This record gives sequence, C-alpha cells and structure tokens, in this order.
Amino acid sequence: DVKVTQSSRYLVKRTGEKVFLECVQDMDHENMFWYRQDPGLGLRLIYFSYDVKMKEKGDIPEGYSVSREKKERFSLILESASTNQTSMYLCASSSHVGASNQPQHFGDGTRLSIL
Amino acid sequence: AQTVTQSQPEMSVQEAETVTLSCTYDTSESDYYLFWYKQPPSRQMILVIRQEAYKQQNATENRFSVNFQKAAKSFSLKISDSQLGDAAMYFCAYRRSGYSTLTFGKGTMLLVSP
Repeated sequence: DVKVTQSSRYLVKRTGEKVFLECVQDMDHENMFWYRQDPGLGLRLIYFSYDVKMKEKGDIPEGYSVSREKKERFSLILESASTNQTSMYLCASSSHVGASNQPQHFGDGTRLSIL
Repeated sequence: AQTVTQSQPEMSVQEAETVTLSCTYDTSESDYYLFWYKQPPSRQMILVIRQEAYKQQNATENRFSVNFQKAAKSFSLKISDSQLGDAAMYFCAYRRSGYSTLTFGKGTMLLVSP
C-alpha cells in the first residue's frame, strides 16, 4: 500500500514564524501535492510538483512556497505565518503512469494553528 | 475553469438503508475522470470509486456505485446497506485527461444512525 507520511498531526506556531510542513511518500510517485482544507470550502490546491525541483502554483499559493529536493519528499513552507493560515493541511501523491486514471493518495493531515 | 458542486452539505441515513450523494460538475472537456473520496473523522482520505468519462457503464465497488450522466454533468454516489463505518465527509473530484491535478467539491457530511 502507498504510504504518505506527514511529519506532524498537530502543530502550533506563532504569527511571523517560518513554518515547515514535511511530507514523504514511499511509492516512488512523480506527483506530489499540498492542499489546505477548511470547513465549507473543501480542498484547495496550494502547490504541486511533478518532478524533483519542479513546482507549479495551485489555486491559493499566496503566502506559501514549496521545496522538492528529493523525489520522495515535498515540503510546504509558510514564509511568515499569519492567523489566516490556521487550517488543516493535506499532502498527497500520485503516479504519473497512466496519469489521469491514477488516484491521489493522501497523508493523515497536519492541523496547524497560528497564534 | 472546471468547477465541482456538491449541493448537500449534510445527509443522514439509517443503518441498512440506501443513500445517494449528489455531485455536478462544469467542464467543456469530453475526456476526463471523476472520483469520490471518503474522509472519516480524524482519519485519512481514501478513494471510494472512480469513473472514466469515456465509459458508459457506471462504476461499482461492492456497496458503492455511481450514477454517471455525462450529458447532465452529474456524478452521484449511491451507498447501499449503509453501515456505521460509512459515516464520513465525502468529496467528489474531477480530473481533466492528461492532467494530474484534481478539482474538489466542498464535501457532503454523511451521518449514519443505528
């Protein structure tokens, strides 16, 4: 089974801090994704990556950046955390082989609170 | 841009009964894929079922089936013989052919009572 592991289930940070959320997958997937999930808004794509060192903006990239130095790891960075970034963050990965039919596999999520 | 609409924020069903969750989408593409994902409380999101738009036959996975109406751009999920473990948030998602990204609806919370 595909395993997508997010480094923290719960995280509390302060306004202005630089925050790193880490995600690792063990299935050699080319594609990795970061979403934020808010009640009533569903999942919104922040950034995705289709290869090492490659990244594409999603629907809500403002205030975030990402890093993918190794194929298995995709990091989400909040450069200067703000209270409106308090949310649930979900990481996902998928194979590029037969791309459109391949499901995304999700981690458990990180519930981030910015105080 | 593609949009996915789930018009039911919350649905309730009793154990052993059948429930249908609605999903509509807007696209100008003819080739695409549709998915239903389940997110139990405080647990990982998992794939329930998928449908290729070029297939006329509706997908089925055990107690889960879809009613795919391409012309109406409708993709509903039917859960038969509902179980307590089916209680979760359900998300409908769209993927354009040749692309990796998904567009999600806002979700439907399914409550299951004994």
